[in-house]
Amino acid sequence: GQSLEQPSEVTAVEGAIVQINCTYQTSGFYGLSWYQQHDGGAPTFLSYNALDGLEETGRFSSFLSRSDSYGYLLLQELQMKDSASYFCAGGQGGKLIFGQGTELSVKP
Amino acid sequence: DAGVIQSPRHEVTEMGQEVTLRCKPISGHDYLFWYRQTMMRGLELLIYFNNNVPIDDSGMPEDRFSAKMPNASFSTLKIQPSEPRDSAVYFCASSLTGRAGELFFGEGSRLTVL
Repeated sequence: GQSLEQPSEVTAVEGAIVQINCTYQTSGFYGLSWYQQHDGGAPTFLSYNALDGLEETGRFSSFLSRSDSYGYLLLQELQMKDSASYFCAGGQGGKLIFGQGTELSVKP
Repeated sequence: DAGVIQSPRHEVTEMGQEVTLRCKPISGHDYLFWYRQTMMRGLELLIYFNNNVPIDDSGMPEDRFSAKMPNASFSTLKIQPSEPRDSAVYFCASSLTGRAGELFFGEGSRLTVL
């Protein structure tokens, strides 16, 4: 089966850097994705790591180590609008399984 | 380009009634997914289709749930009969072959069963 573990909540201040970790247990796993979801909204795609290493997209970066079954999302220069839930998701074939989500609160 | 379109956005019904949720994926996308989101269980994959064919329905909770995709531009998720525990937000998402990690979600259908 597949399961992804991530912290339930994280708090940080505006302008800071925060890292949200994700560990997974899965068979036939092929990559790790990250999604953002604001209250009442739909999940939106942030990044996808198919290979080990770091992917950078603006203020957001994502890392994957398949040998360690581990990845993280790094958010820099935090803004109030970054307050949301963040989900890691792992894939097998065409199927994407989501972690339980990390609620990020950005304080002034 | 229009995103994934779901209807209705909100549905309130009584226990025992039939509920039909609808989804139009992004044109050209060949994968379609139905997810359910609740506070307790998070985002659960119910079923997904590839080229209109159901590939994995192991997440469908019971026989009361059924999903169809009669063509590339339309899918339905039906609950009959509905129960209060079916109350959730149901999301439809689509993606392209080769970009399986990148799903585009609709705005969701919030279902309340009284």
